[in-house]
Amino acid sequence: GQNIDQPTEMTATEGAIVQINCTYQTSGFNGLFWYQQHAGEAPTFLSYNVLDGLEEKGRFSSFLSRSKGYSYLLLKELQMKDSASYLCAVMDSNYQLIWGAGTKLIIKP
Amino acid sequence: SQTIHQWPATLVQPVGSPLSLECTVEGTSNPNLYWYRQAAGRGLQLLFYSVGIGQISSEVPQNLSASRPQDRQFILSSKKLLLSDSGFYLCAWSVQGGDTGELFFGEGSRLTVL
Repeated sequence: GQNIDQPTEMTATEGAIVQINCTYQTSGFNGLFWYQQHAGEAPTFLSYNVLDGLEEKGRFSSFLSRSKGYSYLLLKELQMKDSASYLCAVMDSNYQLIWGAGTKLIIKP
Repeated sequence: SQTIHQWPATLVQPVGSPLSLECTVEGTSNPNLYWYRQAAGRGLQLLFYSVGIGQISSEVPQNLSASRPQDRQFILSSKKLLLSDSGFYLCAWSVQGGDTGELFFGEGSRLTVL
């Protein structure tokens, strides 16, 4: 079956760096997405990786290793507003998105 | 610019009552449209998707149905709600034939069935 694994919850301190991991097993691969979702709100797009390596976008970076079925989202200079759930999703060979359950990130002052 | 809007934002319905959630997209033509359900502690579950007017694909057999009467309108319905239908429902769109398949989500509709 198809599976996306990510930690349920993580805690970090304001101003610090946090890495949220995502491992996947899917039938084919056509890209990996990271979305941010604040409580009670809709997810918003953060990043897209289809080739191995690191994609940097401001304070957020996303890494992909297709051979390992692994990605991480790196958040730098954490701010209180970064408290949210972070969803990992993989597009399979049928171009369907398979979603992880999300990682709830709690930022403490 | 493109926008997506869904309503109502919140509703509380008794078991056995009907349901209608509506979603509209503006600023784009011929989008792919999706209905997702999000349950606590679980990943987004794709319920329906549509690549064109009147074309609906169902991913999960259930008592829900979807319709696309116009290019940018997507409706989620039920004739008789079950307790298990409670959840956070999200409408989304993507560019048909787009490079990445990025999804743009509506604000969400929280349904509580009592």
